[in-house]
Amino acid sequence: EADIYQTPRYLVIGTGKKITLECSQTMGHDKMYWYQQDPGMELHLIHYSYGVNSTEKGDLSSESTVSRIRTEHFPLTLESARPSHTSQYLCASSESTTGIYGYTFGSGTRLTVV
Amino acid sequence: QKEVEQNSGPLSVPEGAIASLNCTYSDRGSQSFFWYRQYSGKSPELIMSIYSNGDKEDGRFTAQLNKASQYVSLLIRDSQPSDSATYLCAVNNGSGTYKYIFGTGTRLKVLA
Repeated sequence: EADIYQTPRYLVIGTGKKITLECSQTMGHDKMYWYQQDPGMELHLIHYSYGVNSTEKGDLSSESTVSRIRTEHFPLTLESARPSHTSQYLCASSESTTGIYGYTFGSGTRLTVV
Repeated sequence: QKEVEQNSGPLSVPEGAIASLNCTYSDRGSQSFFWYRQYSGKSPELIMSIYSNGDKEDGRFTAQLNKASQYVSLLIRDSQPSDSATYLCAVNNGSGTYKYIFGTGTRLKVLA
């Protein structure tokens, strides 16, 4: 079944640790996105990719980095986690070549930095 | 002015009523419009998309688009308690970047 997967679902980690949030999709979508969302708040785009070896920063300043070595895989890395990084991180992908289709979201990773 | 604006709510409607959710956008070049439903603690789920002026119906949901007035709305007929969620409006800005601008969402409560 075609889908988009995020791991881990929940992560509690200490300040200063390096972490990688995984996102994989089996739909062959070229376009992938990372959003950050605090509880009850709006979605903020932090990174996106239009294909292999293509990555761009989003609208929200972020201390994270991403890579896109394979079409299906779009991991997000925090080199040194801080309590301000505590949030929900949502990965999404899109099939569209014309912008007419919406996103498919993964289940999200809820990150807590202590 | 935000690019995509929604009333945060909560919008409370009785079970069986029609819920009407509204969204306005600022970029006249916007071409694609989407409604997502997000349950508390869950990720957004696409429920409707609309690209042309007028109405688009899918089951109990109807999306309405008026590009001249720059608004898009979602009607939910025969509202059920299970429809209680936050509804996010998203707009493709038509610049070819395929980024969608999200509103802050309207929280809908359907009262049994």
